[in-house]
Amino acid sequence: TQLLEQSPQFLSIQEGENLTVYCNSSSVFSSLQWYRQEPGEGPVLLVTVVTGGEVKKLKRLTFQFGDARKDSSLHITAAQPGDTGLYLCAGAQRGSTLGRLYFGRGTQLTVWP
Amino acid sequence: GAVVSQHPSRVICKSGTSVKIECRSLDFQATTMFWYRQFPKQSLMLMATSNEGSKATYEQGVEKDKFLINHASLTLSTLTVTSAHPEDSSFYICSAREHDINNEQFFGPGTRLTVL
Repeated sequence: TQLLEQSPQFLSIQEGENLTVYCNSSSVFSSLQWYRQEPGEGPVLLVTVVTGGEVKKLKRLTFQFGDARKDSSLHITAAQPGDTGLYLCAGAQRGSTLGRLYFGRGTQLTVWP
Repeated sequence: GAVVSQHPSRVICKSGTSVKIECRSLDFQATTMFWYRQFPKQSLMLMATSNEGSKATYEQGVEKDKFLINHASLTLSTLTVTSAHPEDSSFYICSAREHDINNEQFFGPGTRLTVL
């Protein structure tokens, strides 16, 4: 069973459209990260959210952490072909001394010109 | 900052040989390093967690005698795939965690292993 349920698994949209990716869990996380990965490369950290209800913006990307710190969303406005990639959410649980992250299954986003 | 390198980026080997992959944190000291395996179009699967100077903690189902991990310093961890077989072919990625920075992990560029 997956601790973090990420949806949708695949997303194929036209340039200019908006989209939202969700990560949900029944567990509470002390922090949650969003990563983006391109083929043949390692994931790149986009943002970390730590406070319930927190909203962070990174240009056209908006990240939100749920009030109860059990869920998060990534919203992209006016998607561009350069946004294409695998988006991964990952959460760390309170009390984890080794800092292990639990990853969602990922969302493969394709933005067509 | 927070750059992690991995070497080699690609390796092809014959079945039965051993392959060593290096993971280095270039501009910070990593208290913990992680090794993941990733299949095409899928998420990361944690294999093991290593702390400098101590034995690695392996995830359930990962053979510790097959995947040897050494974390000799705060900037270097190695993964050795022993007696590699074609089913070990995969994309291996390491990450490093700087002490107590919101559990952020910084990933290396990955190593594509192909076992013939």
